[in-house]
Amino acid sequence: GENVEQHPSTLSVQEGDSAVIKCTYSDSASNYFPWYKQELGKRPQLIIDIRSNVGEKKDQRIAVTLNKTAKHFSLHITETQPEDSAVYFCAASEDNFNKFYFGSGTKLNVKP
Amino acid sequence: GAGVSQSPRYKVAKRGQDVALRCDPISGHVSLFWYQQALGQGPEFLTYFQNEAQLDKSGLPSDRFFAERPEGSVSTLKIQRTQQEDSAVYLCASSLERLAGYNEQFFGPGTRLTVL
Repeated sequence: GENVEQHPSTLSVQEGDSAVIKCTYSDSASNYFPWYKQELGKRPQLIIDIRSNVGEKKDQRIAVTLNKTAKHFSLHITETQPEDSAVYFCAASEDNFNKFYFGSGTKLNVKP
Repeated sequence: GAGVSQSPRYKVAKRGQDVALRCDPISGHVSLFWYQQALGQGPEFLTYFQNEAQLDKSGLPSDRFFAERPEGSVSTLKIQRTQQEDSAVYLCASSLERLAGYNEQFFGPGTRLTVL
């Protein structure tokens, strides 16, 4: 089955700096890659996603890049703000099966 | 609009007790997923329903775990003879339509199960 690895496990940045979280996957059949943000005690919420026919997607301060050949994808947050502090999870799935394989999470701390 | 809801939000069980966790998906959502999230880890897939049909239960850790969705809406995850290793947050997610290729899964707040 699919194996998703996520790094780093914790990331601390100063407000205004950029943050990058990286994930790798093992199954070349995976073609959908969502990123979820989970605040303490809250439900995971989708912040951005990318499909395998696209190399990059951007939404305001958030961007995701995908390298299918290397089987890795990354989340980029620019101009970080304290409210970006949360745990971020990457995931991978195949369209036909839909279940998500999640990474182990990155705890992002943005210091004011 | 109403999101995915789960009840109870917290459940404490003594080892050996049976528990039932409920999930109310977003109205009209065809697909429903259950995930188990251990402390400090990412969610792990348990099982998947399309309407009332359980199409994938490969993630259920043992035959003590059972899920159903008899009318294609509300789902119940039942754990029999709970063990301490069952302690986790159980997340339910729903999505609109699998065949349309629309994959976003909307998550509920989870049920935190603690087995003493």
